[in-house]
Amino acid sequence: DTEVTQTPKHLVMGMTNKKSLKCEQHMGHRAMYWYKQKAKKPPELMFVYSYEKLSINESVPSRFSPECPNSSLLNLHLHALQPEDSALYLCASSQGNRDYEQYFGPGTRLTVT
Amino acid sequence: DAKTTQPPSMDCAEGRAANLPCNHSTISGNEYVYWYRQIHSQGPQYIIHGLKNNETNEMASLIITEDRKSSTLILPHATLRDTAVYYCIVRVDGNKLVFGAGTILRVKS
Repeated sequence: DTEVTQTPKHLVMGMTNKKSLKCEQHMGHRAMYWYKQKAKKPPELMFVYSYEKLSINESVPSRFSPECPNSSLLNLHLHALQPEDSALYLCASSQGNRDYEQYFGPGTRLTVT
Repeated sequence: DAKTTQPPSMDCAEGRAANLPCNHSTISGNEYVYWYRQIHSQGPQYIIHGLKNNETNEMASLIITEDRKSSTLILPHATLRDTAVYYCIVRVDGNKLVFGAGTILRVKS
């Protein structure tokens, strides 16, 4: 199984809502990532978890809160978002020693109203 | 990480080889060249990577010039399903990928 799954596929939320994005992989990968992609732009790294510990935070605003409950799951908790946060949120994973080969999920299309 | 320069778009006839160039003139000795692609409405997909030798796998070939200042990704027999944005990334070993603007490859029948 070389699949990274993400739920939900689409999410519409108001600026006062709290929601979560979920990512799951069963490839035994020990590194997991969140990327943000605006329309017609390349993906931008947000967070990296390595062995369930946050190793990189690319100065992401605190309204985005990542969580890695175990080695297979990665969540992104959203609170008090702004309309400009509307984007495709991509999750990826990689083996701890083959990080050049990241496997991406299909993404969650988020719209903030 | 070294900066990369790619043409914004390219066209290729179906069944022909697609040759996608990438300039990385400031690459340092320990930086690898990686290629990913992103088909519309999908997440990026790893294609291939190399340090200084040419590399080939089931998807593509990667040709790196001797001075390592540029490289070419070759899709030997492009199909319509190869239409995508192709990203050339240069970085030291590690788990941080920085995507540039990429090249939009359109394969036409």
